[in-house]
Amino acid sequence: EDQVTQSPEALRLQEGESSSLNCSYTVSGLRGLFWYRQDPGKGPEFLFTLYSAGEEKEKERLKATLTKKESFLHITAPKPEDSATYLCAVQANRDDKIIFGKGTRLHILP
Amino acid sequence: GAVVSQHPSWVICKSGTSVKIECRSLDFQATTMFWYRQFPKQSLMLMATSNEGSKATYEQGVEKDKFLINHASLTLSTLTVTSAHPEDSSFYICSARRAADTQYFGPGTRLTVL
Repeated sequence: EDQVTQSPEALRLQEGESSSLNCSYTVSGLRGLFWYRQDPGKGPEFLFTLYSAGEEKEKERLKATLTKKESFLHITAPKPEDSATYLCAVQANRDDKIIFGKGTRLHILP
Repeated sequence: GAVVSQHPSWVICKSGTSVKIECRSLDFQATTMFWYRQFPKQSLMLMATSNEGSKATYEQGVEKDKFLINHASLTLSTLTVTSAHPEDSSFYICSARRAADTQYFGPGTRLTVL
Protein backbone atom coordinates (compact mmCIF):
# COMPACT_ATOMS: atom_id res chain seq x y z
CA GLU A 1 0.00 0.00 0.00
CA ASP A 2 1.28 3.45 -0.92
CA GLN A 3 2.15 5.50 2.14
CA VAL A 4 3.60 8.88 3.08
CA THR A 5 5.00 9.68 6.52
CA GLN A 6 6.16 13.14 7.50
CA SER A 7 8.31 14.09 10.45
CA PRO A 8 8.38 15.87 12.73
CA GLU A 9 4.68 16.59 13.25
CA ALA A 10 5.52 20.06 14.51
CA LEU A 11 8.68 22.14 14.59
CA ARG A 12 9.43 25.43 16.28
CA LEU A 13 12.50 27.35 15.15
CA GLN A 14 13.99 30.70 15.90
CA GLU A 15 14.16 33.11 12.98
CA GLY A 16 17.34 32.34 11.03
CA GLU A 17 17.66 28.79 12.42
CA SER A 18 17.93 26.42 9.44
CA SER A 19 16.40 22.93 9.53
CA SER A 20 14.96 20.13 7.42
CA LEU A 21 11.56 18.45 7.18
CA ASN A 22 11.39 14.79 6.27
CA CYS A 23 8.99 12.89 4.02
CA SER A 24 9.39 9.11 3.87
CA TYR A 25 7.40 7.28 1.24
CA THR A 26 6.59 3.85 -0.10
CA VAL A 27 4.99 3.68 -3.50
CA SER A 28 4.83 1.16 -6.28
CA GLY A 29 6.50 3.09 -9.10
CA LEU A 30 6.94 6.76 -8.28
CA ARG A 31 5.57 9.17 -10.86
CA GLY A 32 6.16 12.28 -8.79
CA LEU A 33 6.64 13.65 -5.28
CA PHE A 34 5.09 16.98 -4.42
CA TRP A 35 5.61 19.59 -1.71
CA TYR A 36 2.89 22.05 -0.80
CA ARG A 37 2.57 24.81 1.77
CA GLN A 38 -0.77 25.31 3.53
CA ASP A 39 -1.73 28.30 5.64
CA PRO A 40 -4.62 27.98 8.13
CA GLY A 41 -8.02 28.13 6.45
CA LYS A 42 -6.55 28.09 2.94
CA GLY A 43 -5.90 25.58 0.21
CA PRO A 44 -2.42 24.12 -0.36
CA GLU A 45 0.01 26.21 -2.38
CA PHE A 46 2.24 24.31 -4.81
CA LEU A 47 5.96 24.46 -4.11
CA PHE A 48 7.83 21.68 -5.95
CA THR A 49 7.52 18.51 -7.99
CA LEU A 50 10.38 15.99 -7.93
CA TYR A 51 10.48 13.03 -10.27
CA SER A 52 13.68 11.04 -9.75
CA ALA A 53 16.26 10.27 -7.09
CA GLY A 54 19.01 12.87 -6.95
CA GLU A 55 16.79 15.66 -8.17
CA GLU A 56 16.85 18.98 -6.30
CA LYS A 57 14.73 22.12 -6.64
CA GLU A 58 15.02 25.50 -4.95
CA LYS A 59 12.73 28.42 -4.34
CA GLU A 60 13.86 31.31 -2.18
CA ARG A 61 14.73 29.85 1.25
CA LEU A 62 13.42 26.36 0.40
CA LYS A 63 15.21 23.46 -1.24
CA ALA A 64 13.64 20.06 -1.87
CA THR A 65 15.67 16.90 -2.45
CA LEU A 66 14.67 13.36 -3.34
CA THR A 67 16.08 9.88 -2.77
CA LYS A 68 14.51 6.52 -3.51
CA LYS A 69 12.90 6.39 -0.07
CA GLU A 70 12.52 9.93 1.18
CA SER A 71 12.46 13.61 0.42
CA PHE A 72 13.73 16.51 2.46
CA LEU A 73 12.54 20.07 2.48
CA HIS A 74 15.42 22.20 3.68
CA ILE A 75 14.64 25.65 4.96
CA THR A 76 17.54 28.07 5.21
CA ALA A 77 17.48 31.10 7.52
CA PRO A 78 13.69 30.99 7.89
CA LYS A 79 11.56 34.03 8.57
CA PRO A 80 8.27 34.23 10.54
CA GLU A 81 6.33 34.36 7.26
CA ASP A 82 7.58 30.84 6.51
CA SER A 83 5.34 29.57 9.32
CA ALA A 84 2.80 27.16 7.82
CA THR A 85 2.01 23.48 7.44
CA TYR A 86 4.16 21.79 4.81
CA LEU A 87 2.56 18.85 3.03
CA CYS A 88 4.28 16.09 1.10
CA ALA A 89 2.40 13.94 -1.41
CA VAL A 90 3.25 11.16 -3.86
CA GLN A 91 1.72 9.91 -7.06
CA ALA A 92 2.18 6.40 -8.36
CA ASN A 93 2.65 5.61 -12.04
CA ARG A 94 -0.63 3.73 -12.16
CA ASP A 95 -2.75 6.46 -10.57
CA ASP A 96 -4.29 9.84 -11.20
CA LYS A 97 -4.57 10.60 -7.51
CA ILE A 98 -1.92 11.74 -5.06
CA ILE A 99 -1.56 10.59 -1.48
CA PHE A 100 -0.79 13.15 1.19
CA GLY A 101 1.19 12.87 4.39
CA LYS A 102 -0.19 14.44 7.55
CA GLY A 103 2.09 17.43 7.26
CA THR A 104 4.64 19.23 9.40
CA ARG A 105 3.45 22.34 11.25
CA LEU A 106 6.33 24.79 11.15
CA HIS A 107 6.41 27.78 13.46
CA ILE A 108 9.18 30.38 13.12
CA LEU A 109 9.63 32.60 16.15
CA PRO A 110 10.76 36.20 15.57
CA GLY B 1 -0.35 30.98 -13.86
CA ALA B 2 -2.25 27.94 -12.56
CA VAL B 3 -4.96 29.71 -10.58
CA VAL B 4 -7.90 27.75 -9.21
CA SER B 5 -10.88 29.45 -7.62
CA GLN B 6 -13.70 28.16 -5.45
CA HIS B 7 -17.07 29.63 -4.68
CA PRO B 8 -18.36 30.22 -2.12
CA SER B 9 -15.45 30.55 0.30
CA TRP B 10 -17.77 29.74 3.18
CA VAL B 11 -21.38 28.70 3.59
CA ILE B 12 -23.71 28.07 6.51
CA CYS B 13 -26.85 26.05 5.89
CA LYS B 14 -29.62 24.28 7.73
CA SER B 15 -29.66 20.52 8.10
CA GLY B 16 -31.44 18.85 5.19
CA THR B 17 -30.62 21.46 2.58
CA SER B 18 -28.30 21.03 -0.41
CA VAL B 19 -25.20 23.08 -1.03
CA LYS B 20 -23.31 23.53 -4.32
CA ILE B 21 -19.62 24.39 -4.43
CA GLU B 22 -17.96 25.51 -7.66
CA CYS B 23 -14.35 24.95 -8.65
CA ARG B 24 -12.87 26.80 -11.62
CA SER B 25 -9.47 26.72 -13.25
CA LEU B 26 -9.04 30.34 -14.31
CA ASP B 27 -6.05 30.30 -16.63
CA PHE B 28 -5.75 26.74 -17.87
CA GLN B 29 -7.88 23.84 -18.98
CA ALA B 30 -8.15 20.88 -16.64
CA THR B 31 -9.34 17.53 -17.92
CA THR B 32 -9.11 16.19 -14.39
CA MET B 33 -10.21 17.82 -11.15
CA PHE B 34 -10.20 16.42 -7.64
CA TRP B 35 -12.32 17.02 -4.55
CA TYR B 36 -10.92 16.72 -1.03
CA ARG B 37 -12.19 17.32 2.45
CA GLN B 38 -10.08 18.28 5.41
CA PHE B 39 -10.93 18.12 9.11
CA PRO B 40 -9.16 20.39 11.60
CA LYS B 41 -5.46 19.62 12.00
CA GLN B 42 -5.72 16.67 9.64
CA SER B 43 -4.44 16.15 6.14
CA LEU B 44 -6.43 16.19 2.93
CA MET B 45 -8.60 13.18 2.20
CA LEU B 46 -9.48 12.57 -1.44
CA MET B 47 -13.21 12.21 -2.02
CA ALA B 48 -13.43 11.82 -5.78
CA THR B 49 -11.69 12.27 -9.11
CA SER B 50 -13.64 14.17 -11.72
CA ASN B 51 -12.96 13.87 -15.45
CA GLU B 52 -14.53 16.26 -17.92
CA GLY B 53 -17.46 14.70 -19.72
CA SER B 54 -17.56 11.49 -17.69
CA LYS B 55 -18.75 10.22 -14.35
CA ALA B 56 -16.66 10.91 -11.28
CA THR B 57 -14.70 8.17 -9.56
CA TYR B 58 -15.38 8.10 -5.84
CA GLU B 59 -13.05 6.88 -3.12
CA GLN B 60 -14.09 4.02 -0.91
CA GLY B 61 -16.51 5.14 1.77
CA VAL B 62 -17.67 8.29 -0.05
CA GLU B 63 -21.38 8.21 -0.91
CA LYS B 64 -21.82 9.20 -4.54
CA ASP B 65 -25.52 9.98 -4.05
CA LYS B 66 -24.71 12.37 -1.27
CA PHE B 67 -21.76 14.12 -2.88
CA LEU B 68 -22.77 14.81 -6.47
CA ILE B 69 -19.97 15.85 -8.78
CA ASN B 70 -20.37 17.38 -12.21
CA HIS B 71 -17.47 18.28 -14.49
CA ALA B 72 -19.31 20.00 -17.31
CA SER B 73 -16.39 21.80 -18.94
CA LEU B 74 -12.60 21.91 -18.96
CA THR B 75 -12.65 24.78 -16.46
CA LEU B 76 -15.53 23.99 -14.11
CA SER B 77 -16.38 21.22 -11.68
CA THR B 78 -19.12 21.36 -9.07
CA LEU B 79 -19.67 19.45 -5.84
CA THR B 80 -23.19 19.33 -4.45
CA VAL B 81 -23.65 18.13 -0.88
CA THR B 82 -27.21 16.84 -0.82
CA SER B 83 -29.34 16.76 2.32
CA ALA B 84 -26.47 18.10 4.37
CA HIS B 85 -26.14 17.13 8.02
CA PRO B 86 -23.88 18.52 10.78
CA GLU B 87 -21.38 15.71 10.26
CA ASP B 88 -20.84 17.02 6.71
CA SER B 89 -19.40 20.23 8.15
CA SER B 90 -15.83 20.41 6.93
CA PHE B 91 -13.35 22.25 4.73
CA TYR B 92 -13.81 21.22 1.10
CA ILE B 93 -10.95 21.82 -1.31
CA CYS B 94 -10.75 21.20 -5.03
CA SER B 95 -7.73 20.86 -7.23
CA ALA B 96 -7.13 20.90 -10.96
CA ARG B 97 -4.39 19.13 -12.82
CA ARG B 98 -2.76 21.32 -15.43
CA ALA B 99 0.09 19.55 -17.18
CA ALA B 100 1.36 16.03 -16.60
CA ASP B 101 0.98 15.54 -12.89
CA THR B 102 0.95 18.65 -10.74
CA GLN B 103 -2.30 19.55 -9.02
CA TYR B 104 -3.11 23.16 -8.20
CA PHE B 105 -5.50 23.76 -5.36
CA GLY B 106 -8.36 26.15 -4.79
CA PRO B 107 -8.63 28.24 -1.63
CA GLY B 108 -11.22 25.92 -0.09
CA THR B 109 -14.84 26.22 1.05
CA ARG B 110 -15.79 26.09 4.72
CA LEU B 111 -19.16 24.35 5.09
CA THR B 112 -21.05 24.59 8.37
CA VAL B 113 -24.32 22.69 8.69
CA LEU B 114 -26.53 23.73 11.58
